Amino acid sequence: QSVLTQPPSASGTPGQRVTISCSGSSSNIGSNTVNWYQQLPGTAPKLLIYSNNQRPSGVPDRFSGSKSGTSASLAISGLQSEDEADYYCAAWDDSLNGGVVFGGGTKLTVL
Amino acid sequence: QVQLVQSGAEVKKPGASVKVSCKASGYTFTSYDINWVRQATGQGLEWMGWMNVNSGNTGYAQKFQGRVTMTRNTSISTAYMELSSLRSEDTAVYYCARGLHYGVTTYWFDPWGQGTLVTVSS
Repeated sequence: QSVLTQPPSASGTPGQRVTISCSGSSSNIGSNTVNWYQQLPGTAPKLLIYSNNQRPSGVPDRFSGSKSGTSASLAISGLQSEDEADYYCAAWDDSLNGGVVFGGGTKLTVL
Repeated sequence: QVQLVQSGAEVKKPGASVKVSCKASGYTFTSYDINWVRQATGQGLEWMGWMNVNSGNTGYAQKFQGRVTMTRNTSISTAYMELSSLRSEDTAVYYCARGLHYGVTTYWFDPWGQGTLVTVSS
């Protein structure tokens, strides 16, 4: 049971826009910024979005992030076949000893 | 380029310990945290803890308290994660990741190591 809640799956056709949601609480998303990681099949996770909506250099502007209250979203526009991957949201959690919490991950399928 | 390279796969028996290494290059090792995250086959990501590489201070997820130890050797830019009293449920890929922060509310991981498969089996 992950602390952050994501839909287990999402899908879209090439060129479409898809969004993936991430729901948390006041101790994590409500208090801290959200990051998104992309994990291509058989590889290590890679930073996609940090601090809610910042893209590291090299990440296409087709990827965007937003946050409102205790929820966040990742949007992918102009969907491409190479976007098929698992996507994870994460945030620092201020409860107990603190620490990073992840969503359970969303498997994106490009139809 | 900034890179983290981890040690190779391990097979351990239940009750044993495993120590995974993570060698950093391309940046000043002592200027950033190192975090450890694991992923069981077909499952999601699970954060295990972090280490301030400069001071050696650590913070562990409650689930791993008492079983995990994170250390470093700054002379060779290498971090280590040791997990003891292994059980079958610890079979997973273990990743190290550099931690970056901005202020007190923003903390992210970049880059990640390639992962180390630890198999616990009798």
